[in-house]
Amino acid sequence: DVKVTQSSRYLVKRTGEKVFLECVQDMDHENMFWYRQDPGLGLRLIYFSYDVKMKEKGDIPEGYSVSREKKERFSLILESASTNQTSMYLCASSFGLTSGGGETQYFGPGTRLLVL
Amino acid sequence: AQSVTQLGSHVSVSEGALVLLRCNYSSSVPPYLFWYVQYPNQGLQLLLKYTTGATLVKGINGFEAEFKKSETSFHLTKPSAHMSDAAEYFCAVSRTSTGGFKTIFGAGTRLFVKA
Repeated sequence: DVKVTQSSRYLVKRTGEKVFLECVQDMDHENMFWYRQDPGLGLRLIYFSYDVKMKEKGDIPEGYSVSREKKERFSLILESASTNQTSMYLCASSFGLTSGGGETQYFGPGTRLLVL
Repeated sequence: AQSVTQLGSHVSVSEGALVLLRCNYSSSVPPYLFWYVQYPNQGLQLLLKYTTGATLVKGINGFEAEFKKSETSFHLTKPSAHMSDAAEYFCAVSRTSTGGFKTIFGAGTRLFVKA
């Protein structure tokens, strides 16, 4: 079974803190993704990576950065946390272009972040 | 630009009744379409997907969806709801991007199942 793990299920941080969210997958997937999930808005893509040290902005990258130094690990960084970044953060991974865009994404359990 | 619209943020059915969750998309050809399910306190998992071939796609737990190009729809159905089907369901479409494809998700539909 594919496993995607996230470092924390729940986090509470203060405004202005630097926050690190870690994601690890064990299936040698090329692609990794960070999403933000908010009620009524579904999932919105923050960043994704299709290879080590490669990254591409998603739809809502402002206030976030990412790092992918190893194939299995993809980190999301909130440089200076703000209250509007309170949300559920989901990491996912998938194989590369093996089926021309129809690749299944495998999700971690999510990290619920509260910024006070 | 590709997009996904799920009709109804909440759907309530009785146990044993038909489940119908609606999804319409806008996409360039060919679309890749997905339904994912999220159970409470869990991440999303794939229910089914359409890539090519047969337009009626069967998934896990008795769900199926039909790709109708003329209607730009990919509605999810299950003949008989079970209490364990209570969850949030997301329709999604893949779109091209630098380096490959990205997936666009709908806003989600929460399914309630009444005993």
